[in-house]
Amino acid sequence: AQRVTQPEKLLSVFKGAPVELKCNYSYSGSPELFWYVQYSRQRLQLLLRHISRESIKGFTADLNKGETSFHLKKPFAQEEDSAMYYCALYHLSSGTYKYIFGTGTRLKVLA
Amino acid sequence: DAGITQSPRHKVTETGTPVTLRCHQTENHRYMYWYRQDPGHGLRLIHYSYGVKDTDKGEVSDGYSVSRSKTEDFLLTLESATSSQTSVYFCAISESGQNTEAFFGQGTRLTVV
Repeated sequence: AQRVTQPEKLLSVFKGAPVELKCNYSYSGSPELFWYVQYSRQRLQLLLRHISRESIKGFTADLNKGETSFHLKKPFAQEEDSAMYYCALYHLSSGTYKYIFGTGTRLKVLA
Repeated sequence: DAGITQSPRHKVTETGTPVTLRCHQTENHRYMYWYRQDPGHGLRLIHYSYGVKDTDKGEVSDGYSVSRSKTEDFLLTLESATSSQTSVYFCAISESGQNTEAFFGQGTRLTVV
């Protein structure tokens, strides 16, 4: 069965420290993976997608098929990065597309 | 922001009463989804729609029903609200196809007392 696992509910780091939010997935096909972010009092929004291989707000994520992981990284955390982060698997099942989300990791960046 | 709105934004209701949440989009996207967000559980899919009158169950569909009579509206009904359905409900929309971004509504906070 398809599954997305985010092992950390809360991650606290100091400003300027590196950040890594972990995401592991279970999927038999070729995965399409995303990171979504929810800032306080805002709606969820796309942060980045693996196929784009881009850096958004200093964040990057590399798909590692061998480890079935899609960890989100940033070399130097900023206070404005404090938010809830969700890893998501987008897949085709029985002819329809669905997103499966992980349980989320709350990132707190301390001054 | 993508044209997606949820109503109401907040609701308090009593156990046993029916409740309907509305999701409205102006993007003409094919797919619409209802999720609930709970601490420790993240976002869980309740129901989704892949076209007008085409809907299917998600992982936590018990106690919920949906309807989509036109492209722009997707209704979620709690047939007889229970306290376990107290949650924040999010609607999302997306086009079909690979590598497609989901756009979310602002959420509805539902409290069942």
